Amino acid sequence: NAGVTQTPKFQVLKTGQSMTLQCAQDMNHEYMSWYRQDPGMGLRLIHYSVGAGITDQGEVPNGYNVSRSTTEDFPLRLLSAAPSQTSVYFCASSSPGLKTYEQYFGPGTRLTVT
Amino acid sequence: AQTVTQSQPEMSVQEAETVTLSCTYDTSESDYYLFWYKQPPSRQMILVIRQEAYKQQNATENRFSVNFQKAAKSFSLKISDSQLGDAAMYFCAYCNNNNDMRFGAGTRLTVKP
Repeated sequence: NAGVTQTPKFQVLKTGQSMTLQCAQDMNHEYMSWYRQDPGMGLRLIHYSVGAGITDQGEVPNGYNVSRSTTEDFPLRLLSAAPSQTSVYFCASSSPGLKTYEQYFGPGTRLTVT
Repeated sequence: AQTVTQSQPEMSVQEAETVTLSCTYDTSESDYYLFWYKQPPSRQMILVIRQEAYKQQNATENRFSVNFQKAAKSFSLKISDSQLGDAAMYFCAYCNNNNDMRFGAGTRLTVKP
């Protein structure tokens, strides 16, 4: 199993550009989430999904869109990048069936917006 | 909304000694899960230990154990026989049944040889 994979690992954008961060998991987990990690802060939840076709907002959803058309994939879209979105982005998955709610994390994407 | 507070931005411990990292949280829910994650310089988030709120017994994983005080909403992590490889950022996290997970700001642990 590859677990949770994220692409790209690094990305530099100019202000106003758009892009999609990709996330995929091969563990058949129902739940998937996106977090951002800024210096001196913990991970903050951006959006999450409890199953295909279902998404919801977390703590810091503004400026980001998500969709969940399959169980495996959960892409995060930045519609118009801003310097405030410079951060490290983590995708995670979990399964309520495991009764533990442990999140399995991807390796992260470092995004810089200039 | 649930909040998680880690009041120690940095901690230091001598190799082979014991250190305790503090965490408090605020919630009105009765059923939830608590976690400690380790983040080394590689950035990978690694689960250290978990605790179900309905369980009174404190979780233990080898050298890692927790002191879970539900009424006080406190969840501290004790690392015994500290090793150089334990040096990392440690994050306390809270998760409810809706997969809404919240993290504290983290504690940077340094291990001195």
